[in-house]
Amino acid sequence: NAGVTQTPKFRILKIGQSMTLQCTQDMNHNYMYWYRQDPGMGLKLIYYSVGAGITDKGEVPNGYNVSRSTTEDFPLRLELAAPSQTSVYFCAGSTGNSNQPQHFGDGTRLSIL
Amino acid sequence: AQSVSQHNHHVILSEAASLELGCNYSYGGTVNLFWYVQYPGQHLQLLLKYFSGDPLVKGIKGFEAEFIKSKFSFNLRKPSVQWSDTAEYFCAVLFGGATNKLIFGTGTLLAVQP
Repeated sequence: NAGVTQTPKFRILKIGQSMTLQCTQDMNHNYMYWYRQDPGMGLKLIYYSVGAGITDKGEVPNGYNVSRSTTEDFPLRLELAAPSQTSVYFCAGSTGNSNQPQHFGDGTRLSIL
Repeated sequence: AQSVSQHNHHVILSEAASLELGCNYSYGGTVNLFWYVQYPGQHLQLLLKYFSGDPLVKGIKGFEAEFIKSKFSFNLRKPSVQWSDTAEYFCAVLFGGATNKLIFGTGTLLAVQP
């Protein structure tokens, strides 16, 4: 029963490098989300998707891109890593019904040096 | 703008003490309310949720929360905390709309001393 799986768990990048944070879910969730969590700031929504082929910006989308080619996968891409993107990133999925909670992955801790 | 406020940023309690964490939101329409818990080094897990009906909801591990519509509040309570309750607690609100976007509070870090 995998749920929402994120890889990698940890990563260190140099400024200007690019990388893709992977997120996959086997819960048949139509809705998927990417958040970043910074100390004392709670979770901020970066991007979300309501289904395959559909994505939209959240509260803090700058510096990130996403794609949703399948229902299962929702990768988050950083094209030019900056120190301000040092954070813990969480992927989540939900059915999209308002009475159902979001299910979170274990997170990716990313440091940009 | 829609927002969620958690006024207690850091709470320290002794075991067996009672807990109440505040959560207020800024919207007067339909809302769905959640409390999530994040244990050290782990992902967020759902503690409890409110959608409709009885405003006093019970969740896992002895937690409960009361929705007071007139005060735009959804405070989390537990009569007697344990050391294992040490974690960060997030209130989240799903405001009326079609996009299912949760707004999170900034979190409350609870440390329970044995």
